[in-house]
Amino acid sequence: GDSVTQMEGPVTLSEEAFLTINCTYTATGYPSLFWYVQYPGEGLQLLLKATKADDKGSNKGFEATYRKETTSFHLEKGSVQVSDSAVYFCALKVNRDDKIIFGKGTRLHILP
Amino acid sequence: NAGVTQTPKFQVLKTGQSMTLQCAQDMNHEYMSWYRQDPGMGLRLIHYSVGAGITDQGEVPNGYNVSRSTTEDFPLRLLSAAPSQTSVYFCASSKGTAIYNEQFFGPGTRLTVL
Repeated sequence: GDSVTQMEGPVTLSEEAFLTINCTYTATGYPSLFWYVQYPGEGLQLLLKATKADDKGSNKGFEATYRKETTSFHLEKGSVQVSDSAVYFCALKVNRDDKIIFGKGTRLHILP
Repeated sequence: NAGVTQTPKFQVLKTGQSMTLQCAQDMNHEYMSWYRQDPGMGLRLIHYSVGAGITDQGEVPNGYNVSRSTTEDFPLRLLSAAPSQTSVYFCASSKGTAIYNEQFFGPGTRLTVL
């Protein structure tokens, strides 16, 4: 079945470091791909999305490129801040009436 | 817009008690859903609704009931609470079921069952 696999955390980085959180997927069709972020004590919110191959989603300095050939949607940021500390979820949706499938989440800690 | 609101924020129940978690959205979204979030398990879908009067089961529906009498509201009922239902519950909504539609999440309800 359709699934999302993302790197396990926690990931701990120093401020201004480069961030990569890996995400790969398995899907029978052509999914839309999403990254959601959950700040402490809050619900999830959409960070960025891409709806077709080679699309790049970007927001708040984060980027992810939809790579069909490697079935990946890795999240990157060039210089992280303490305020980026959160849990990040990769997700996909394949068909119109299907549910969104979430990865298990990656906790990110940024040290000052 | 208030977005997606959930009440209560925190709740403690004893085993066997029943309660309703409230969820409302003011964005006129067709699609609403309930998830539970447990450590190491990510988000698991409990029930969802594609419109008023229509509900369906998700991945982990046992022990929960839902109804959708209006577009705005989607309450989740725990019939007889069990310690295994200790979790954080999130309600979400989206404009429709198209594959590019994002979901909007409420702030969550943290439930403890003793």
